Amino acid sequence: DGGITQSPKYLFRKEGQNVTLSCEQNLNHDAMYWYRQDPGQGLRLIYYSQIVNDFQKGDIAEGYSVSREKKESFPLTVTSAQKNPTAFYLCASSPGVFSGNTIYFGEGSWLTVV
Amino acid sequence: AQTVTQSQPEMSVQEAETVTLSCTYDTSESNYYLFWYKQPPSRQMILVIRQEAYKQQNATENRFSVNFQKAAKSFSLKISDSQLGDTAMYFCAFMNGRDDKIIFGKGTRLHILP
Repeated sequence: DGGITQSPKYLFRKEGQNVTLSCEQNLNHDAMYWYRQDPGQGLRLIYYSQIVNDFQKGDIAEGYSVSREKKESFPLTVTSAQKNPTAFYLCASSPGVFSGNTIYFGEGSWLTVV
Repeated sequence: AQTVTQSQPEMSVQEAETVTLSCTYDTSESNYYLFWYKQPPSRQMILVIRQEAYKQQNATENRFSVNFQKAAKSFSLKISDSQLGDTAMYFCAFMNGRDDKIIFGKGTRLHILP
């Protein structure tokens, strides 16, 4: 089936640790995105990437890092510098504005700091 | 910078009634796309409807329609004959036609009452 796969669905992190959330898509989409969702805050953009080996900061990039070495993969690392990482994280992809504009989402990952 | 504002944090309507969710946005771009997404308790993001800014005709999808007022930068969602399954968070989203950046409003929690 075509779609976006996020893993793990639930992740617990100890303070001071880095963790990486995986996002893989088999839709051949150019653009990929990471959002954070907190209660009452909607979806806030962390990073996005239009093409391989290129990405841009979103509105809340501090404490996060990404890579885009392959078209189908866009992992997000939550570093120890992120002071309040407990949240629901959503990965999304799009063909890109010049190829279509529907946004597809993964099922999300819950990250809890313990 | 683009912004998306949803001024109604929460709404409740009786089943079978019509409800309108408001969304305003701010941009200096001329080429962009607008979306409404539904997020049920499962947290899966579901596309409800989308609108290209260059199209004057309002988009419709079955019971869902939009009122797109480009000059006023308004993009409201109307749900006709509301059903219990429409209970969810609804997010308005803006896609920049220049760099694929997508931002979301904070959402409106909609309750459909039996």
